[in-house]
Amino acid sequence: EDQVTQSPEALRLQEGESSSLNCSYTVSGLRGLFWYRQDPGKGPEFLFTLYSAGEEKEKERLKATLTKKESFLHITAPKPEDSATYLCAVHNQGAQKLVFGQGTRLTINP
Amino acid sequence: DAGITQSPRHKVTETGTPVTLRCHQTENHRYMYWYRQDPGHGLRLIHYSYGVKDTDKGEVSDGYSVSRSKTEDFLLTLESATSSQTSVYFCAIRGLDTYEQYFGPGTRLTVT
Repeated sequence: EDQVTQSPEALRLQEGESSSLNCSYTVSGLRGLFWYRQDPGKGPEFLFTLYSAGEEKEKERLKATLTKKESFLHITAPKPEDSATYLCAVHNQGAQKLVFGQGTRLTINP
Repeated sequence: DAGITQSPRHKVTETGTPVTLRCHQTENHRYMYWYRQDPGHGLRLIHYSYGVKDTDKGEVSDGYSVSRSKTEDFLLTLESATSSQTSVYFCAIRGLDTYEQYFGPGTRLTVT
């Protein structure tokens, strides 16, 4: 059964303090690993798709990387506006659906 | 924005009443999904559609039905609402050649 585990559940950083969020996955034939950002009271917002081990994607202060067992979302010099819940999901070859992790709630203090 | 709207955005209803939530897209995408999001459970798939009149169950489909009579609309119906169906419901869409899904703003449903 496909499974996605995100850690930590919550992370509190000071503005400018870089860190990484982890997404570990088990899936039968990865078609893609996805990162989303979700603000309170809103729907998840798509950030990145990673397809194969070694791939990296960047957007502003965020960089997502992928290995065969996990993905990292690196946040460099974060700002308070980066505070949100970050969700990871995988899509396997046989299914027509995403399997989501439970998310990491990130808080950036000014 | 991905061109997805959900209605209503908030609803309070009583146990045992039927409820229908609507998802409308302007992207002409083939795939549409209904999820519920609850603390401690994350996003869970209820039903999805892969074309007009083509639907399939997700992992938490009991107590829910769906219909898709037009490409742009995907309806989620709770035939007889229960308190366990109090949740935030999200609709999502996906194009034919990609796997990323784009989400609507959500509907907060409270069953009293």
